[in-house]
Amino acid sequence: AAGVIQSPRHLIKEKRETATLKCYPIPRHDTVYWYQQGPGQDPQFLISFYEKMQSDKGSIPDRFSAQQFSDYHSELNMSSLELGDSALYFCASSSGRAGYEQFFGPGTRLTVL
Amino acid sequence: DQQVKQNSPSLSVQEGRISILNCDYTNSMFDYFLWYKKYPAEGPTFLISISSIKDKNEDGRFTVFLNKSAKHLSLHIVPSQPGDSAVYFCAASAFHNQGGKLIFGQGTELSVKP
Repeated sequence: AAGVIQSPRHLIKEKRETATLKCYPIPRHDTVYWYQQGPGQDPQFLISFYEKMQSDKGSIPDRFSAQQFSDYHSELNMSSLELGDSALYFCASSSGRAGYEQFFGPGTRLTVL
Repeated sequence: DQQVKQNSPSLSVQEGRISILNCDYTNSMFDYFLWYKKYPAEGPTFLISISSIKDKNEDGRFTVFLNKSAKHLSLHIVPSQPGDSAVYFCAASAFHNQGGKLIFGQGTELSVKP
């Protein structure tokens, strides 16, 4: 069965650079969630989209923005990168505005040098 | 403010025995609970879930128990297998009031020894 696809899998950036992470949800899933997992920490909710509209916002810095496109894929844009942004970024998708089960992608490991 | 807590960072179990992973929560608005299994450098894999209107849900070797009055849930794996060795995250959602975002516990690393 098709799973959530994230690209790139690994990304290395310098401080103050920008990064764009992409997420392709499971077919027919209309809700996308972004989570950030720092080293040794649990995943923290950043932002979510339902039917291309932002549905909820968590602890996402103002330097980050995201959107969901007409084909339901989502992009997380990160600007003015800081060392503390180094983390695993997971995208999850579900069916419905607040679908019960969320299915996660493999993650993008962002390293900021 | 950790709304979902997994107080045991690690658990070691013998193959064939039962593994019991525990999770406590503080937010009484949570109405849906999920368990995920995670390997290093991979995304969490959904295992099993339970709605707050139930007290037990079973799927093969995995059973989740919910005690709402104690704000406690547990995941039972029986029999445990070496392939079950991973980090297990408990997650909760205030589905009907706060959307579907998941609040995770800190994780418990399960090691199943042959």
